[in-house]
Amino acid sequence: SQTIHQWPATLVQPVGSPLSLECTVEGTSNPNLYWYRQAAGRGLQLLFYSVGIGQISSEVPQNLSASRPQDRQFILSSKKLLLSDSGFYLCAWSAALLNQPQHFGDGTRLSIL
Amino acid sequence: KNEVEQSPQNLTAQEGEFITINCSYSVGISALHWLQQHPGGGIVSLFMLSSGKKKHGRLIATINIQEKHSSLHITASHPRDSAVYICAGGGADGLTFGKGTHLIIQP
Repeated sequence: SQTIHQWPATLVQPVGSPLSLECTVEGTSNPNLYWYRQAAGRGLQLLFYSVGIGQISSEVPQNLSASRPQDRQFILSSKKLLLSDSGFYLCAWSAALLNQPQHFGDGTRLSIL
Repeated sequence: KNEVEQSPQNLTAQEGEFITINCSYSVGISALHWLQQHPGGGIVSLFMLSSGKKKHGRLIATINIQEKHSSLHITASHPRDSAVYICAGGGADGLTFGKGTHLIIQP
């Protein structure tokens, strides 16, 4: 069966520090991969999605970047975190077919001090 | 860009009541998702609909493509149903989310 792993679960970082959140999927090949963010008091928002290795699409301009170095690995990064980067980050995957459900990781709660 | 509107934002009901949460979307989507978010933040996918109706246990989801409207129903509600319910529309290029409905079921 397919599983998605996202870590760390919680992270506290100072302003200006770098960030790397990792997401891996097991049990499937060539998944579509997604990063979402939920800022405090706001709804979930799509940040990035990827349909293949090295293929990244960004939905909103921001301080963050994403990379997909391997088929089932999706990384969210920042060189210098801002206070506004605080939030709950979710990774998700879906099969690369039309109308497939998305499966979510457990999320990372990021606090910037 | 797709827009997804959900109502109500907050809903408090007594155990056993029939619950309905509504979702409207502004443009064509390939599928409509209903998600459940627990207090710790974890999200579970409840349903994915592109037409008709789906049922899982006490949960029922319906969608009307012509009216661009979907509903999530909970029959015989229970305190353990308390959570945030989120509808989301989209396809392979990612989901657009409603703001969620915070549901509290009181014993």
